[in-house]
Amino acid sequence: KAGVTQTPRYLIKTRGQQVTLSCSPISGHRSVSWYQQTPGQGLQFLFEYFSETQRNKGNFPGRFSGRQFSNSRSEMNVSTLELGDSALYLCASSSPGALAEYNEQFFGPGTRLTVL
Amino acid sequence: QQPVQSPQAVILREGEDAVINCSSSKALYSVHWYRQKHGEAPVFLMILLKGGEQKGHDKISASFNEKKQQSSLYLTASQLSYSGTYFCGPNSGYALNFGKGTSLLVTP
Repeated sequence: KAGVTQTPRYLIKTRGQQVTLSCSPISGHRSVSWYQQTPGQGLQFLFEYFSETQRNKGNFPGRFSGRQFSNSRSEMNVSTLELGDSALYLCASSSPGALAEYNEQFFGPGTRLTVL
Repeated sequence: QQPVQSPQAVILREGEDAVINCSSSKALYSVHWYRQKHGEAPVFLMILLKGGEQKGHDKISASFNEKKQQSSLYLTASQLSYSGTYFCGPNSGYALNFGKGTSLLVTP
C-alpha cells in the first residue's frame, strides 16, 4: 500500500505571496490532519478533515485554510505569507471511518516551505 | 495548549533505560506517542486510551494516568535505533496537540 504523499517537497516563496500544499492520504483513509513543525514550537496541529468536512481546527490565523476533496486528497493554503510561516508542513492520514485522535496516524514526508 | 514533555533532551549509552514524561493541562481522552528520526516523518509508537486500553508496538511500554493528565514512555535496554525525537500527542477531545518533543540520542 502506498504511503501518504505530499507535493511539492520543497517550496521557496516571498513574503506576501500565497501557497498551496497538497496531500494524498493512504488509500481508504478518510481523515487527513495537517501540522506545522518548527524548531521552536515543535509539532503544532493546524486542522483535520474527514469526508470533506473540517472537524477540528488548531490555533492558527485565518490565513491558514484547507479543504478536502471527495477522493480524500487534501490541500492546505496559506495566504499573505510571513517569514514566520517558514516550516515543515506535515500531513497525516488515519484509518477509514475513524476518529483521527483514537487511531494511528500515518505521516507524509512533509513540504519544506521557506519564506524569504 | 501544547503538552509539556520532560526531559527536553537526553543522551544514553546503548543498553541504558530512559523515561519520557508528558503532561497536559486539559483532561485527556487518549495519548499518542510518535518518534521522528532526523529528516524523516514521525512514526507511530503507541496510543493509550482511557480505561487502560493500549495499542502499539510490543517492545515499547507506556503509562497513562487519566487523573493526573500525564503519560510516560518507557524505553528499556535502549538501542542505537531508538535515537530520535519523541512526541506525545494528548487528545483532549479536540484533536491531537503535539508538543516540542524530547530529543533522545543513544550512543555506542
